[in-house]
Amino acid sequence: DGGITQSPKYLFRKEGQNVTLSCEQNLNHDAMYWYRQDPGQGLRLIYYSQIVNDFQKGDIAEGYSVSREKKESFPLTVTSAQKNPTAFYLCASSTVEQTEAFFGQGTRLTVV
Amino acid sequence: GQQLNQSPQSMFIQEGEDVSMNCTSSSIFNTWLWYKQDPGEGPVLLIALYKAGELTSNGRLTAQFGITRKDSFLNISASIPSDVGIYFCAGRRPSTSGTYKYIFGTGTRLKVLA
Repeated sequence: DGGITQSPKYLFRKEGQNVTLSCEQNLNHDAMYWYRQDPGQGLRLIYYSQIVNDFQKGDIAEGYSVSREKKESFPLTVTSAQKNPTAFYLCASSTVEQTEAFFGQGTRLTVV
Repeated sequence: GQQLNQSPQSMFIQEGEDVSMNCTSSSIFNTWLWYKQDPGEGPVLLIALYKAGELTSNGRLTAQFGITRKDSFLNISASIPSDVGIYFCAGRRPSTSGTYKYIFGTGTRLKVLA
């Protein structure tokens, strides 16, 4: 089945540690996105990538980093510089025409 | 970062009632999308709109792309308990780098009382 897979579903991190969230898609989509969702809030854009080896900062990129070495993969690293990392993280992808974006199931990150 | 204004923020309705929600912006968009999100899950695309004035249906759902391109509306007819969730609108427009970005609404939380 084609789709977007995020892993893990739940992630716990100690303060001061970096952690990487995985996002893989087999939809042959060129564009991929990372969003952050806080309780009762909408989605805020962290980073996005239109093509391999290229990505742009979104509205809340500070404390995060990404890479796009393969078309299928767009991992997000939450660094220790992110002051409030506990949130629900959503990965999405879309075609080169970018008319419709499809989401993964999300990763809930909790800092303990 | 910008978020679209979505209303109402939340609503409780009786099963069988119709539901209306809307999304407004100060900016023009060239695509409007509507998503539904269940608790702890990713948003699922319901309807996509591509032209100003367009009216599109998906089962009991009907959405419209506002004629000014600054708003969109979603209606759910004859609501059922499984309609419960958060509904998000999203607008798509070019970014300053020449690529496209999706801007999301703040969400409408729908609860259906049986």
